Amino acid sequence: AQSVTQLDSQVPVFEEAPVELRCNYSSSVSVYLFWYVQYPNQGLQLLLKYLSGSTLVESINGFEAEFNKSQTSFHLRKPSVHISDTAEYFCAVSGAGGTSYGKLTFGQGTILTVHP
Amino acid sequence: DTGVSQDPRHKITKRGQNVTFRCDPISEHNRLYWYRQTLGQGPEFLTYFQNEAQLEKSRLLSDRFSAERPKGSFSTLEIQRTEQGDSAMYLCASSLSNSYNEQFFGPGTRLTVL
Repeated sequence: AQSVTQLDSQVPVFEEAPVELRCNYSSSVSVYLFWYVQYPNQGLQLLLKYLSGSTLVESINGFEAEFNKSQTSFHLRKPSVHISDTAEYFCAVSGAGGTSYGKLTFGQGTILTVHP
Repeated sequence: DTGVSQDPRHKITKRGQNVTFRCDPISEHNRLYWYRQTLGQGPEFLTYFQNEAQLEKSRLLSDRFSAERPKGSFSTLEIQRTEQGDSAMYLCASSLSNSYNEQFFGPGTRLTVL
């Protein structure tokens, strides 16, 4: 079984400031890690994923996340946020391979609000 | 639009009534998942299909809940004798059965039980 903890329920920042959304997970097996984003009145969209290989993964809109196995973390960062990044962000984990079937376990979500 | 679709988008019902939701996955996806999301929480896994076979059900899924995927394409989720605690967003996702099966989510059905 897996669990995910997102340490901040709300993160307010000013436009062009850096931001970090924290995510810790626990699992007894190897995992895949994901960040999903939910914009107001829209469905969940995959932002980025870690499957294997390089521990630093990037999205097309400037977000990055680093897999840290020793700290069981997958924090999401962006060096300079825009108003349009205002959304709720969910960290998720699934078991890697075997019989996990890819079932996702989500954190509670972090609401990122970017102020002008 | 070739994404995951769900119908209806909103449903308001009275306690004790039965409701049924439909999910149409991306056409070539053989895996289909149902999740439930309550206010202030992340989505929680309910059940999973590979083709027409229901392979896993969460303990969250009481006997009042039933899901089907009769021909391995669309799926339905039925809730019998609804309770106020069933009020939530019900999300459907689909994926291929590859090594990491990226899941694509539908817009959800918001259920309100009065």
